[in-house]
Amino acid sequence: DAGVIQSPRHEVTEMGQEVTLRCKPISGHNSLFWYRQTMMRGLELLIYFNNNVPIDDSGMPEDRFSAKMPNASFSTLKIQPSEPRDSAVYFCASSLEGRVTYNEQFFGPGTRLTVL
Amino acid sequence: GQQVMQIPQYQHVQEGEDFTTYCNSSTTLSNIQWYKQRPGGHPVFLIQLVKSGEVKKQKRLTFQFGEAKKNSSLHITATQTTDVGTYFCAGPSRGAQKLVFGQGTRLTINP
Repeated sequence: DAGVIQSPRHEVTEMGQEVTLRCKPISGHNSLFWYRQTMMRGLELLIYFNNNVPIDDSGMPEDRFSAKMPNASFSTLKIQPSEPRDSAVYFCASSLEGRVTYNEQFFGPGTRLTVL
Repeated sequence: GQQVMQIPQYQHVQEGEDFTTYCNSSTTLSNIQWYKQRPGGHPVFLIQLVKSGEVKKQKRLTFQFGEAKKNSSLHITATQTTDVGTYFCAGPSRGAQKLVFGQGTRLTINP
């Protein structure tokens, strides 16, 4: 298995531009998570999906951020308009979750976003 | 809300010395997971502890889950340069199938 795939690996953009990050989870996994990591705030959960349905988006910073999961093999995180404070590494992770189990999460390599 | 705290935030050791990081939760956990992130890399799952007082070993790494299931520790014996990285603990959030990660302990090693 190729693991969780994220693209792009690096993104440099200017303030005000739209940024779209992409994620392909591990085949067969039913849960997908988007995290943001910075030195100041550590690893933060932004949103997670279960069976393609957004379950908890309480970590999404503001309306500029949106995430979709149109099918079991693809998810996007969009920032519009982007701001310098959005600069961070964004990780996508997937797992196979049961109703009462909490299984390991498999992280993708991340997208390093720089907003100038 | 639920919080997972880790100490220390940073630890620098000489190669061969031992290392311990501690994890404390504000609430009782059903289980706890540990992850390692190498510099420039992504978090990688190490282990999950479920039972009260559980102790698990992976070569030089020893993981413990507290009797009250509110704390955990990771101990590395005789550190090697390959142990460099940030170690995170994570516990499930009450009523939600998501993990709450600690801030991590960044381990650096002087060869």
